[in-house]
Amino acid sequence: EAGVTQFPSHSVIEKGQTVTLRCDPISGHDNLYWYRRVMGKEIKFLLHFVKESKQDESGMPNNRFLAERTGGTYSTLKVQPAELEDSGVYFCASSQDLGFSTYEQYFGPGTRLTVT
Amino acid sequence: GEDVEQSLFLSVREGDSSVINCTYTDSSSTYLYWYKQEPGAGLQLLTYIFSNMDMKQDQRLTVLLNKKDKHLSLRIADTQTGDSAIYFCAERRYSSASKIIFGSGTRLSIRP
Repeated sequence: EAGVTQFPSHSVIEKGQTVTLRCDPISGHDNLYWYRRVMGKEIKFLLHFVKESKQDESGMPNNRFLAERTGGTYSTLKVQPAELEDSGVYFCASSQDLGFSTYEQYFGPGTRLTVT
Repeated sequence: GEDVEQSLFLSVREGDSSVINCTYTDSSSTYLYWYKQEPGAGLQLLTYIFSNMDMKQDQRLTVLLNKKDKHLSLRIADTQTGDSAIYFCAERRYSSASKIIFGSGTRLSIRP
């Protein structure tokens, strides 16, 4: 079974440009999450989809970030226009359910975004 | 607050034990996790402990939880070169089930 995949693995763009990151969750996982790690700091939650609906977007930093999950399968995270402080590693994760039995969020390898 | 804190670096000799420490602030934490990130790879769940437990052992890994002090530790016995990675402490709270709250990560390096 394929794990969570992310594309691209690395993106270098100039300030003011637009970048779109893609995440393909594990097949059958309704829950999809975006996180990011900026400047070697903590990994911070951005948002959570349940199928195509945004369940929790409390971590989205500002309106330059737009996440979508049309059809409830893959998700995209667009940054427009990108700023220097957006540089970091963007992780995607997916999980099967949210039950409080042990559940695991499976993480992808991340997309390293560098804004120059 | 949302702080999960851990030291940034740890260096140990191969074969010794590594102990990575973490503190968290929210007493409503339900699950506490240790994730491992190897170079170029995603985050791998190493182990977890439920908040009503004091200790969990899994082969070379021992997790200790002091709920009173909100302190979590990960002990790796007989540390090997393959253990070189960044280790993230994380928590999940009943009040916000969606998200996992991470620390900044501890980079473990192994010296011969």
